[in-house]
Amino acid sequence: KNQVEQSPQSLIILEGKNCTLQCNYTVSPFSNLRWYKQDTGRGPVSLTIMTFSENTKSNGRYTATLDADTKQSSLHITASQLSDSASYICVVFRTGGGNKLTFGTGTQLKVEL
Amino acid sequence: GAGVSQSPSNKVTEKGKDVELRCDPISGHTALYWYRQSLGQGLEFLIYFQGNSAPDKSGLPSDRFSAERTGGSVSTLTIQRTQQEDSAVYLCASSVPGGIEQFFGPGTRLTVL
Repeated sequence: KNQVEQSPQSLIILEGKNCTLQCNYTVSPFSNLRWYKQDTGRGPVSLTIMTFSENTKSNGRYTATLDADTKQSSLHITASQLSDSASYICVVFRTGGGNKLTFGTGTQLKVEL
Repeated sequence: GAGVSQSPSNKVTEKGKDVELRCDPISGHTALYWYRQSLGQGLEFLIYFQGNSAPDKSGLPSDRFSAERTGGSVSTLTIQRTQQEDSAVYLCASSVPGGIEQFFGPGTRLTVL
């Protein structure tokens, strides 16, 4: 069964600290993996997209890693800011495009002063 | 337009009533997706439109749900005889032909009393 599991479910950190969110998947055949940020009351916004051959990709303070062998990905946030408070969703696309994607349930991150 | 827009942003209805949710995709995006996001759950695929092809309705949870896309642009998701379990945020996304990047709208929060 194609699944995407994320951990932790929720996380609270102090402003300025770093954190790492995890994503494990069993989706096959794999096409690409992306991380989305979803602010409360807003639609998801793409942070990074990684294909099978990529094992790391950065977008500002966000760095995603991918290990296609172990089917694990992580999203590392450096020097967190209050505006980083959001839900972070891992999404895995299967080959074939179209609607062939599986969403994780997300990690709810709260950054506090 | 500048992005995917959805209306209304919030909808409160009584059980048993019909509702219509609207999505305006980004101009030129021939692919359009509807998702449902229930509280504490991951995004759930509902239906996918691609150009003039027959839509993929495999994600619609029951025959109370239907969607159409007129003129290859605006789409309407209709829920008939709403139930309390239909309460969720309904998200629409669009992409260019063959594109893997999906751009999400802000969603419509549906509450069925």
